Amino acid sequence: QVTLKESGPVLVKPTETLTLTCTVSGFSLSNPRMAVSWIRQPPGKALEWLAHIFSNDEKSYNTSLKSRLTISKVTSESQVVLTMTNMDPVDTATYYCAREGYCRGATCYAGYYFMDVWGKGTTVTVSS
Amino acid sequence: DIQMTQSPSSLSASVGDRVTITCRAGQSIGSYLNWYQQKPGEAPKVLIFGASTLQSGVPSRFSGSGSGTDFTLTITSLQPDDFATYYCQQTYNSPRTFGQGTKVEIK
Repeated sequence: QVTLKESGPVLVKPTETLTLTCTVSGFSLSNPRMAVSWIRQPPGKALEWLAHIFSNDEKSYNTSLKSRLTISKVTSESQVVLTMTNMDPVDTATYYCAREGYCRGATCYAGYYFMDVWGKGTTVTVSS
Repeated sequence: DIQMTQSPSSLSASVGDRVTITCRAGQSIGSYLNWYQQKPGEAPKVLIFGASTLQSGVPSRFSGSGSGTDFTLTITSLQPDDFATYYCQQTYNSPRTFGQGTKVEIK
């Protein structure tokens, strides 16, 4: 069974750095057909993609937040870590991690990535 | 970045209705378009990937179509469990981008 679980602080102060960890099970972060993405959702608002990392350590970031984000992984620990610097109250949101792959069961659709398994999300409030 | 625009932002419909949601990409994205359903307090769930391929376990009343810049999610015969918010997402390139969502409410 594939699962992802987000963990991190519930409350951070403005200007602090947020560190979130996504712990995965049921698949390996070294699998070349998969990546792990981070997505956030402010209360009552839309989903916003933040970053992803592939097995070969290829990374990509949300253009607007790129200067504040760092994504990394510890394959042996099955963990993907996202840091966001200089937190602001507008960063208050539920943060999700999700597996990004292109296979449905035993059938693969090369290149057609989609987020097939999501964590439950972790809510982060930014307040002094 | 590729901008994704959904319409409408919200709609009211009755059980049994046929519902259509549109997603437009700011540039051609081939068929690299996914649809997600999200219910309050839950994580999103993928319904359709590759513009038209149904994810395992998703009811056949959901279907997707389109390519290039214009895409459609159709729900034939809306069920009580389908009242939710729907998002499109492009995976043509990175950074990935989502549409702003379409909330389907009970009429």
